[in-house]
Amino acid sequence: QKEVEQNSGPLSVPEGAIASLNCTYSDRGSQSFFWYRQYSGKSPELIMFIYSNGDKEDGRFTAQLNKASQYVSLLIRDSQPSDSATYLCAVDMDTGRRALTFGSGTRLQVQP
Amino acid sequence: DTGVSQDPRHKITKRGQNVTFRCDPISEHNRLYWYRQTLGQGPEFLTYFQNEAQLEKSRLLSDRFSAERPKGSFSTLEIQRTEQGDSAMYLCATSGVGSTDTQYFGPGTRLTVL
Repeated sequence: QKEVEQNSGPLSVPEGAIASLNCTYSDRGSQSFFWYRQYSGKSPELIMFIYSNGDKEDGRFTAQLNKASQYVSLLIRDSQPSDSATYLCAVDMDTGRRALTFGSGTRLQVQP
Repeated sequence: DTGVSQDPRHKITKRGQNVTFRCDPISEHNRLYWYRQTLGQGPEFLTYFQNEAQLEKSRLLSDRFSAERPKGSFSTLEIQRTEQGDSAMYLCATSGVGSTDTQYFGPGTRLTVL
């Protein structure tokens, strides 16, 4: 079982819609959760981080964390074609390591 | 631009050759990470430095791989006797002191082994 799981997609949404990206993780003791955006051929770019249960909003992005269900999600409101990218979920697993464990990413396509 | 720089951005080499990559962190960041990413996968952790000390190494880091961070500033990652399976994007990330440990990535070095 992978430690961090994401649906590979592609997730296709029309421009202006809400895109919902999901991630589950295996380590119940994980404390820190990150969403990165990665355009093709580029390096990951941090979008948001979340540590506490509930929602955290930043502009058009909302991260949602449910530690009991070991689930973290990213909502993108008013999706734009420029949001088309792969979204990586990363978790600071409770293993004493400082390295992040990444999912394989979900590819989002926003149709104009 | 996160402030993390990597050099070179692209490297093509023949199997069996040695290659070395460099990462320059954000100046106030004392933690530095190397990851490797292959097509369709998320980054995989290779090694981690806090200042000049190499504190973690993944089992992915075979004996052909070595990393250094002299004086706790820039870091180098060397791959000896490259193999075709080493072809990947090599990513450097850095973070500052504190519990959040938010990591910022450099642009990466894309290695192609022929």
